[in-house]
Amino acid sequence: AQKITQTQPGMFVQEKEAVTLDCTYDTSDPSYGLFWYKQPSSGEMIFLIYQGSYDQQNATEGRYSLNFQKARKSANLVISASQLGDSAMYFCAMREDYGQNFVFGPGTRLSVLP
Amino acid sequence: DGGITQSPKYLFRKEGQNVTLSCEQNLNHDAMYWYRQDPGQGLRLIYYSQIVNDFQKGDIAEGYSVSREKKESFPLTVTSAQKNPTAFYLCASSMNYEQYFGPGTRLTVT
Repeated sequence: AQKITQTQPGMFVQEKEAVTLDCTYDTSDPSYGLFWYKQPSSGEMIFLIYQGSYDQQNATEGRYSLNFQKARKSANLVISASQLGDSAMYFCAMREDYGQNFVFGPGTRLSVLP
Repeated sequence: DGGITQSPKYLFRKEGQNVTLSCEQNLNHDAMYWYRQDPGQGLRLIYYSQIVNDFQKGDIAEGYSVSREKKESFPLTVTSAQKNPTAFYLCASSMNYEQYFGPGTRLTVT
């Protein structure tokens, strides 16, 4: 069963605008972590943001914030003030504390338009 | 600087040959992972290791083998039994909740 779903294969956003990348997940483990990674064309995976299942506040890191809706099993990434350098693949991932492994979604390709 | 190194960045092999991809980390992380990524796809777990001398199969272990003789090193061998070995291979390590990735090795088998 698909544990991480990213329903947007591709997204376009105008430079300086905000964009939301969707991620839903499936787990029966009460303790888990959610992650977002950025993969530019060079192939490296860059860690962006982390949200723990017991965290009360939504995580924020600079221009990145995670809109965590636990009841809906949703962990959307919000990028504010998009920049041309934000053009990349974005992957949502989950780690169940009992499972120890990271499971990745299929990714969303974001293109920022000048 | 601490980090994960993978070498080489590009690797070319003839079909039927085994090839070993290296992964070294100096982050003192216990857990290490190997992922495969095909064009336009997400990451799929090949093998992972939580401690030295122990490793487990991931979702697509067939045709691959690993060893974990040292904490710093987790080499991956792509054997001739792997039907479609051409792909981008990423190594990662983790401590607590965060996972760090190496730069990847792009393997082409012809």
